[in-house]
Amino acid sequence: NAGVMQNPRHLVRRRGQEARLRCSPMKGHSHVYWYRQLPEEGLKFMVYLQKENIIDESGMPKERFSAEFPKEGPSILRIQQVVRGDSAAYFCASSPLGQAMNTEAFFGQGTRLTVV
Amino acid sequence: GQQLNQSPQSMFIQEGEDVSMNCTSSSIFNTWLWYKQEPGEGPVLLIALYKAGELTSNGRLTAQFGITRKDSFLNISASIPSDVGIYFCAGEYNFNKFYFGSGTKLNVKP
Repeated sequence: NAGVMQNPRHLVRRRGQEARLRCSPMKGHSHVYWYRQLPEEGLKFMVYLQKENIIDESGMPKERFSAEFPKEGPSILRIQQVVRGDSAAYFCASSPLGQAMNTEAFFGQGTRLTVV
Repeated sequence: GQQLNQSPQSMFIQEGEDVSMNCTSSSIFNTWLWYKQEPGEGPVLLIALYKAGELTSNGRLTAQFGITRKDSFLNISASIPSDVGIYFCAGEYNFNKFYFGSGTKLNVKP
């Protein structure tokens, strides 16, 4: 049973380009979370998605950032017109069926975005 | 969002010493999770706690879910150099939404 898979591991973009980060959850997991981590800092919640639904995007910047989790395929975090301040590690986590007690979240290895 | 206060921010200890770190919040959480993150990697789940008062061990690690549901601690006994990393607490709030503490950076001197 493969873990949470994120790709690419490292991504370099010039200012103004688009960044697309992909996350495939663990098998059987229908909930995906995206977190952002700056160097030497903790994990900041961005967005929580179920298949085809955004449940909570309260941590997402209002502009340039979007996320989706389609019926088929990985979850995508998309950053348009990247700026230097977007440079960070972006982690995806998944958990099994929702509305259930005793749930846990498992993380991928992250995508390290560098904007030059 | 919900605030989790994790302390201490960092620790420098000698190999063999015991370590204790904790998380507190003004909110009630349904689940407490403890993770360890090593440089360049994603957080790895160490211990999950589901009931108030629950005490759970994983090898040299022990964690407890506070009675008030607003806090949790993690203890590491007889630390070794490979315990080095950043430890995060996470609370699950309002069905599947996870909030993280700011982390405790652990350094172990051989």
